Parts: sequence; C-alpha cells; structure tokens
Amino acid sequence: GAVVSQHPSRVICKSGTSVKIECRSLDFQATTMFWYRQFPKKSLMLMATSNEGSKATYEQGVEKDKFLINHASLTLSTLTVTSAHPEDSSFYICSASGTGSTNEQFFGPGTRLTVL
Amino acid sequence: AQTVTQSQPEMSVQEAETVTLSCTYDTSENNYYLFWYKQPPSRQMILVIRQEAYKQQNATENRFSVNFQKAAKSFSLKISDSQLGDTAMYFCAFMRPYSGNTGKLIFGQGTTLQVKP
Repeated sequence: GAVVSQHPSRVICKSGTSVKIECRSLDFQATTMFWYRQFPKKSLMLMATSNEGSKATYEQGVEKDKFLINHASLTLSTLTVTSAHPEDSSFYICSASGTGSTNEQFFGPGTRLTVL
Repeated sequence: AQTVTQSQPEMSVQEAETVTLSCTYDTSENNYYLFWYKQPPSRQMILVIRQEAYKQQNATENRFSVNFQKAAKSFSLKISDSQLGDTAMYFCAFMRPYSGNTGKLIFGQGTTLQVKP
C-alpha cells in the first residue's frame, strides 16, 4: 500500500509555544489529507480535511485559528498547533487519499504531542 | 448524520479460536463504503477489510471476513484462527463517497481485542 509519514513522531513543548507537525505522502500524490486527534483508548476524531491548494475544512468545534493546516503541495500537509496548552496534548494522526485510490485513506504513524 | 456504533469496548479470544466484532451504523445513503481498521500498540492504523455497499457478497481477506447486512445496517468482522498479532484496537468506519475520492471516514468507538495464548 501507499506510505504516509509523519514528523516528528514525538514532541514535547512548553505551554504557549507553537508546534508544527508534517504529514507526507511518500509514493503517491495526495489530493486530500485528513487530520485526526486521538485520546488514549478512544476513537479517532476528525479535525479537518485539506485539499491541495485550498483552505482546509474544519469540523464543528475545532478552532481553525488554533490548529492551522496547510496543504501546499500534493505530498505535504502541515498542522500547526498555535499557542499550545496542556489540554492540546494528544495523539495526532494524518491520513491521505490520492487520485489513484479507491476511497482508501492511508494513515501516517501519528505524532504524540505533550505540552508542559 | 451518519453514526457508527461498536457496542463491545473489550473482547478477548484464545489463540486459534474465532471471534466476531460487532458494528452497526446509521445512514440514509444507499451507496457507501464500510471499513475495518486495526490499530495495534504501535498505533499505526492498518486497513483490515473494506466493503462496498452495492456489493452483496461479503468481503474476505485471508482470516478476516465480514457479515454485511445492509437492511439491518450491520457490519461485523469475523477473525478466524486468531493470532497473538491480532491483539489490537479495531475500528469500524463508514464513508459516504464524495465526488472523486475524498470521502470522510466516520469511526466507531473501537473494540479492544486481546488474543490470549
């Protein structure tokens, strides 16, 4: 299957700082990327959907000014958590869907964010 | 709005036995896709099996098979000959196809499966 990477895999930051997480499709062009948040032993919660070259569509209740998403190319999307606070600590997962896929999303390995 | 329900938070099975995980969903759509994903302790999401709603035949992938009951809106996963590596959290997911290939996934709450030696 297609490969999606995320960087970093773990990040610890101080409260008030911003953190950027990268999501890359390594062997296909991702026209759409999705960002999820997952709490321990809980399900994945979709935060936003991004299409290459256009603004992200955020799910209800997700603060777009806090979680900035950029999908500048067909292989890269970034999620920036601005002015992070301890409650933003979570596991963030991206997935990507390409032009050649049949409605399948390929998932990255996730990023564990800890805000002190 | 579509919803997906997994009513079994935790299950366990002996190695080599068979186990069935339940999933129900609610939708007014006629065409859609259903998936089972596995999330092992590494937390990497892995696609186990998929089913197109317009196909009557139940999908099968090696030891994994589904029982898709469209009228009942039920989509259970059967794991045969369970292996220790099957220990994971399993998510049922629904996708309503958008135009093109950009559908959103709606996940159930998940079922934690423990395979015991």
